[in-house]
Amino acid sequence: QQQVKQSPQSLIVQKGGISIINCAYENTAFDYFPWYQQFPGKGPALLIAIRPDVSEKKEGRFTISFNKSAKQFSLHIMDSQPGDSATYFCAALHNAGNMLTFGGGTRLMVKP
Amino acid sequence: DTGVSQDPRHKITKRGQNVTFRCDPISEHNRLYWYRQTLGQGPEFLTYFQNEAQLEKSRLLSDRFSAERPKGSFSTLEIQRTEQGDSAMYLCASQGAGETQYFGPGTRLLVL
Repeated sequence: QQQVKQSPQSLIVQKGGISIINCAYENTAFDYFPWYQQFPGKGPALLIAIRPDVSEKKEGRFTISFNKSAKQFSLHIMDSQPGDSATYFCAALHNAGNMLTFGGGTRLMVKP
Repeated sequence: DTGVSQDPRHKITKRGQNVTFRCDPISEHNRLYWYRQTLGQGPEFLTYFQNEAQLEKSRLLSDRFSAERPKGSFSTLEIQRTEQGDSAMYLCASQGAGETQYFGPGTRLLVL
């Protein structure tokens, strides 16, 4: 059972554009939602994270929007740059455990 | 570098051989996690430790997989009698007082 669904699988954006990646979850016991960035051959690195009591969190060019009633959250990358080209994963942490459940990933390419 | 380190970074082995991977977490992080990532997918939780105690191991893929953290510092993941389906990236993550899990660079395993 895929508990965190992520879309799109791949995304091409022009430099300076906005990249939007969406995730949906099923388990209402999830209470922490991080986004990770992964470059080829590297481990995932935390970008930004949010708790469900907050509807939006912004850090630099990265913003998470969270809709608790719809059980959806999204990552917005403003002014996308070629260096942002990577695979992005949303994840969710269960409030009674410690394992992260990851989405399937979005491969982002930012064209110069 | 005070991040999570993993060794080796790459491992090629023949089917049926045993392999062991090592993870050194961030100093003083008491929680340590192992994940597996197959090509084009998000990381999948395998097991985790709090100090030297293995608190969740039901997600280990089979009884060929085992993990240890004998002194609550570094950890090892062993796969016995490797199969071609074991080919994947094996990721280690550590966690301190907050919710953030910090990932290492991973060990890429190829079983021939």
